[in-house]
Amino acid sequence: KNQVEQSPQSLIILEGKNCTLQCNYTVSPFSNLRWYKQDTGRGPVSLTIMTFSENTKSNGRYTATLDADTKQSSLHITASQLSDSASYICVVRGNQGGKLIFGQGTELSVKP
Amino acid sequence: GAGVSQSPSNKVTEKGKDVELRCDPISGHTALYWYRQSLGQGLEFLIYFQGNSAPDKSGLPSDRFSAERTGGSVSTLTIQRTQQEDSAVYLCASSSQTSGGPLQETQYFGPGTRLLVL
Repeated sequence: KNQVEQSPQSLIILEGKNCTLQCNYTVSPFSNLRWYKQDTGRGPVSLTIMTFSENTKSNGRYTATLDADTKQSSLHITASQLSDSASYICVVRGNQGGKLIFGQGTELSVKP
Repeated sequence: GAGVSQSPSNKVTEKGKDVELRCDPISGHTALYWYRQSLGQGLEFLIYFQGNSAPDKSGLPSDRFSAERTGGSVSTLTIQRTQQEDSAVYLCASSSQTSGGPLQETQYFGPGTRLLVL
């Protein structure tokens, strides 16, 4: 069973609209949680990293939240742009070693 | 500055052949990771190198897979006797993480090598 579950699997929104992507994890003990953006044909690029003590972190139009008690995170994208079309991957690191556990990603498509 | 580079960008091979995939990490990064991303799947951890420590090979799917990191820099992932199920994008990432180091190290990914086994 995947320890990092993302929803929705895919999402289509109109340019300028906001959206929220969800990530639930069961990894324990937990070290940090990251959100990556992966454009088609490219490697993932880090958007945010949060430790268990952080509740929210922003990077431009991207805002990530973390609830370590419920083991849930969300990525909110404000005023979406066509260039936001990509796969968004939630990644959790446990406390043991350098291994990261990846969610399967949410495929976001922003339409004009 | 230069990021993580991988070569080749695409590789088509016949079932049963051996392939070598190369990763050049960011200069000075001590940690190097290999991942596999199959179509419609999340990234799958393969192997992790950290400095001079013994690599974490726990993600390698079979003994047909091996990896080396020479001189603490360039890494090569070798797949022997390739099978069709090996077809995937193989991603390499590096970070400046030190053993037991800061929690917020960032992994920088290369563009990947797209492997197709016919």
